[in-house]
Amino acid sequence: RKEVEQDPGPFNVPEGATVAFNCTYSNSASQSFFWYRQDCRKEPKLLMSVYSSGNEDGRFTAQLNRASQYISLLIRDSKLSDSATYLCVVKRGNKLVFGAGTILRVKS
Amino acid sequence: GAVVSQHPSWVICKSGTSVKIECRSLDFQATTMFWYRQFPKQSLMLMATSNEGSKATYEQGVEKDKFLINHASLTLSTLTVTSAHPEDSSFYICSADNSGNTEAFFGQGTRLTVV
Repeated sequence: RKEVEQDPGPFNVPEGATVAFNCTYSNSASQSFFWYRQDCRKEPKLLMSVYSSGNEDGRFTAQLNRASQYISLLIRDSKLSDSATYLCVVKRGNKLVFGAGTILRVKS
Repeated sequence: GAVVSQHPSWVICKSGTSVKIECRSLDFQATTMFWYRQFPKQSLMLMATSNEGSKATYEQGVEKDKFLINHASLTLSTLTVTSAHPEDSSFYICSADNSGNTEAFFGQGTRLTVV
């Protein structure tokens, strides 16, 4: 079993749709949690950190449930430019552990 | 945000040759840098942790004699893929921690193709 599991998708949605991604992690020693975005053949870029209290950044909302070891990302009013692979990432000590990513395709 | 520069961005080499990839932190000192490898449609996998002035720590299954890491200064780590083979073709990415910051900063990645 992978330490960070994500649904690979792809999620094909129309512009303006709301889409939610889920992620689970297996190591309870994980300390910090993030969503990264990766465009094709590019390096990952931090989208947002994830906190138990939930946090929002514009159209993006992230949530962490430590008891269930579950992380979510909600994207509202999807834009064409949101098309990318979204990586769920946990930090354990000084190491980042990446999920395989969820592919999002937003279509006009 | 902090900047990490990786070079080259892509390289094609012949089987059996060695390839060196550089990772530089441009505006901060990085005592620790990380090297990842990503195969198509797979997640980034940590290969090794590079520590300035000491030996790198390799993840299980990564051959230290094949993937040589040197971190001689606080701003530069290098990864050398020795005697490269086609199965080493992959996307190699480095990252660096800016002390006190939880965010990791990534280089642009190097796409290695071994023919």
